[in-house]
Amino acid sequence: NAGVMQNPRHLVRRRGQEARLRCSPMKGHSHVYWYRQLPEEGLKFMVYLQKENIIDESGMPKERFSAEFPKEGPSILRIQQVVRGDSAAYFCASSRYGAVGTEAFFGQGTRLTVV
Amino acid sequence: AQSVTQLGSHVSVSEGALVLLRCNYSSSVPPYLFWYVQYPNQGLQLLLKYTTGATLVKGINGFEAEFKKSETSFHLTKPSAHMSDAAEYFCAVNTGFQKLVFGTGTRLLVSP
Repeated sequence: NAGVMQNPRHLVRRRGQEARLRCSPMKGHSHVYWYRQLPEEGLKFMVYLQKENIIDESGMPKERFSAEFPKEGPSILRIQQVVRGDSAAYFCASSRYGAVGTEAFFGQGTRLTVV
Repeated sequence: AQSVTQLGSHVSVSEGALVLLRCNYSSSVPPYLFWYVQYPNQGLQLLLKYTTGATLVKGINGFEAEFKKSETSFHLTKPSAHMSDAAEYFCAVNTGFQKLVFGTGTRLLVSP
């Protein structure tokens, strides 16, 4: 049973380009969460999705960032017109249920570097 | 709003010594509390969690944590540190919403 798969593991983008980060949840998991970890900081919640629905996007920057979790395929976190401040590790987590206290399993992250 | 404070961004211990990583939380409702470990360039792995019931929770790799409501604390301990325990540890709280709120992390250094 494969864990949460994120790709790419490392991504380098020039300022102004688009970054697409992909996350395949664990088998049987329909709840996906994205977190961002800035250098020397803890993880900050960005967005919570279920299949085809955004449940909570209170942590997403208002501009340039979007997320989706289509019926088929991985969840995608998209960052348009990247800036240096977007450089961070982006982690995806998935859970089988959405109930509070349910364990979320984390992927290995995508480390985005904006040059 | 809920929050987590981890005292000490770095903790150094000798191999075989007691490990104590501190976590205090703020919550207006009964919290669910978690400890995660992160090895370099890896994702987070769940060590243990408290939801309800017994306040002393045992996790993987010999770690345990005790939920103390009166002190709003959930400190992580291990009786005897091993070199392989060197990593970053994050405390997190989930209080009725689907998102985890993380502390800023504590880096554990283990010397021979």
